Amino acid sequence: QKEVEQDPGPLSVPEGAIVSLNCTYSNSAFQYFMWYRQYSRKGPELLMYTYSSGNKEDGRFTAQVDKSSKYISLFIRDSQPSDSATYLCAKLQTGANNLFFGTGTRLTVIP
Amino acid sequence: DGGITQSPKYLFRKEGQNVTLSCEQNLNHDAMYWYRQDPGQGLRLIYYSQIVNDFQKGDIAEGYSVSREKKESFPLTVTSAQKNPTAFYLCASSSRGLRTEAFFGQGTRLTVV
Repeated sequence: QKEVEQDPGPLSVPEGAIVSLNCTYSNSAFQYFMWYRQYSRKGPELLMYTYSSGNKEDGRFTAQVDKSSKYISLFIRDSQPSDSATYLCAKLQTGANNLFFGTGTRLTVIP
Repeated sequence: DGGITQSPKYLFRKEGQNVTLSCEQNLNHDAMYWYRQDPGQGLRLIYYSQIVNDFQKGDIAEGYSVSREKKESFPLTVTSAQKNPTAFYLCASSSRGLRTEAFFGQGTRLTVV
C-alpha cells in the first residue's frame, strides 16, 4: 500500500467553482501534511501545511485533515484560471524526515 | 532570500556520459531529497539524505549516485547505467524543527541526445 494515494484526475471546472482535491494516507505516525501547486515545467511550490486535524484557511484555500479516516483535502473557493496546475499532497514524517507524495491531480479552471 | 537552487535548468547529455545535477540550499535544512518526475507518473524518490555524510536509496536509485559532504549541497550524478535518464529532476529539502516544511527547487530538465 502506498503511503499517500491521490486521484490523478484530470479535473476541469468552470471559473468560480469550488474545487475539492483529496488524498488518503496510510501509517499514523507523527506527521505533517502539505499541499503543493506545480505549474508546467516548474518546481512545486508549497501552498499550505498542517499538522492537526481540522481546517486551516489561507485566502481562497482551505486544507483539511481528518486523522480518524486518514483523509486530507484541499478546497479552492472562487477558482480562477490561474489556479490551473497540478496539485500534489504530501506527508512528512517528523523525526525520520521521510517525505511522501501523491501522484498529483491536474486541475484546469475554464474561463 | 532563503531557498533551494538547482542548476542547470536544462541539460543535454550524450548517451554513455555521466552528468551531475547541482542542488544547493541555504535554509539550514537537515534533510535533502532527489525526485524524478515523468509525465503521468508523479514524483519518484531517487535518493534522500537526512544528515551530512549519510544518504539512503529511494525507490528508483539504480543508475544514480549522490554525495552529501556539506549540509547545503546534495549533488546527483546520472550515470551511463541509467537506461532512461530523460526526465525532470527535482531537489527538495526539509527541516526537523517545530515548523516542519519541505521546499523544492525549480528543477533540471535532462535530455539525452
